[in-house]
Amino acid sequence: AQSVAQPEDQVNVAEGNPLTVKCTYSVSGNPYLFWYVQYPNRGLQFLLKYITGDNLVKGSYGFEAEFNKSQTSFHLKKPSALVSDSALYFCAAWNSGYALNFGKGTSLLVTP
Amino acid sequence: EAGVAQSPRYKIIEKRQSVAFWCNPISGHATLYWYQQILGQGPKLLIQFQNNGVVDDSQLPKDRFSAERLKGVDSTLKIQPAKLEDSAVYLCASSLVRRAYEQYFGPGTRLTVT
Repeated sequence: AQSVAQPEDQVNVAEGNPLTVKCTYSVSGNPYLFWYVQYPNRGLQFLLKYITGDNLVKGSYGFEAEFNKSQTSFHLKKPSALVSDSALYFCAAWNSGYALNFGKGTSLLVTP
Repeated sequence: EAGVAQSPRYKIIEKRQSVAFWCNPISGHATLYWYQQILGQGPKLLIQFQNNGVVDDSQLPKDRFSAERLKGVDSTLKIQPAKLEDSAVYLCASSLVRRAYEQYFGPGTRLTVT
């Protein structure tokens, strides 16, 4: 069985400061890991993925994520937050042949 | 290329009524997924199709939910009769068979059951 945990319901950060949204996973084998963003009344938009290779993955809109196998984590990061980054963020894992398994989501609020 | 299309975007019904949602995947995507996203939770898979065959429907409440993809393209998800706990956003996604991890999502249908 696989599971994804997002321990924070909400993350608050001031504009211009770095942000981190946490994710840990429990997946057998080699995990495929993803971050999606959801704006109000919109579908899920893909941000980035880790499949193999470099542990630091760069994605859309200046976001990046660090894969840490020993800590089974895949935290989402951005060096300088924008107000427009305020949204709901989902971490997800994929096992071959099955659907995405999502965490419960973390609401990011960036204040001016 | 056009994205995943869904309709309607919003629907309000009373409990015990029926409702249907429609999804048109990205052209060429043989795999289609229906997810249910309850407020405060992540999306949860309801059913997965490959062409017009069902790959996984283990989490579909079959006493009230049904889905079909007759020609291997468009899909319809139906709820009959609806319960209050069915209030959620219903997301449709599609992917290529060989890149099933790369799923593209539609805007979703927000269902409110009163």
